[in-house]
Amino acid sequence: GIQVEQSPPDLILQEGANSTLRCNFSDSVNNLQWFHQNPWGQLINLFYIPSGTKQNGRLSATTVATERYSLLYISSSQTTDSGVYFCAVEGSGTYKYIFGTGTRLKVLA
Amino acid sequence: DTEVTQTPKHLVMGMTNKKSLKCEQHMGHRAMYWYKQKAKKPPELMFVYSYEKLSINESVPSRFSPECPNSSLLNLHLHALQPEDSALYLCASSLRQRGEAFFGQGTRLTVV
Repeated sequence: GIQVEQSPPDLILQEGANSTLRCNFSDSVNNLQWFHQNPWGQLINLFYIPSGTKQNGRLSATTVATERYSLLYISSSQTTDSGVYFCAVEGSGTYKYIFGTGTRLKVLA
Repeated sequence: DTEVTQTPKHLVMGMTNKKSLKCEQHMGHRAMYWYKQKAKKPPELMFVYSYEKLSINESVPSRFSPECPNSSLLNLHLHALQPEDSALYLCASSLRQRGEAFFGQGTRLTVV
């Protein structure tokens, strides 16, 4: 099945810093989502981005499906950005989302 | 409204108990999912329902029994669980079995 790797696995930032999270996948995909999992376990939708670039406030994402990766940019990070960031991909013809390995982000005040 | 509601939020059960997890959405979504998440791991797919029919079973043990009584409701019946089944159980839904998925807050299950 499709393999989804995220990097870095862990990231510590000072408040106000910028960061880039990466999601690599091993096969072609039909869909891709980015989620933020808060400390209570809730998965919050950030982007639904099978291809192209989207922006929402301090966050933006780019998916280059032909090169099998997606990037999540966080600018001017805040302590509330702390948590785990997952990408999830739907491999072509599979009709199911597989989650990446996750990036654990901690933003220090 | 993109809300998926799961109950209960926390559940402690003995290995001989029978319990059920409930998931509800009123977004008109026709695909619903159960995922299991162990501590410090990504969520893993268990079941997918599409138009109230079981579409995908990821070789889940029979002590987990899903049920989709109508298009808004998804249950997960639990019986004779083991302590290693303790995890966060997440429900999700999407308009079709391909498309943006929305997750509930999860049920944190402890098997004693």
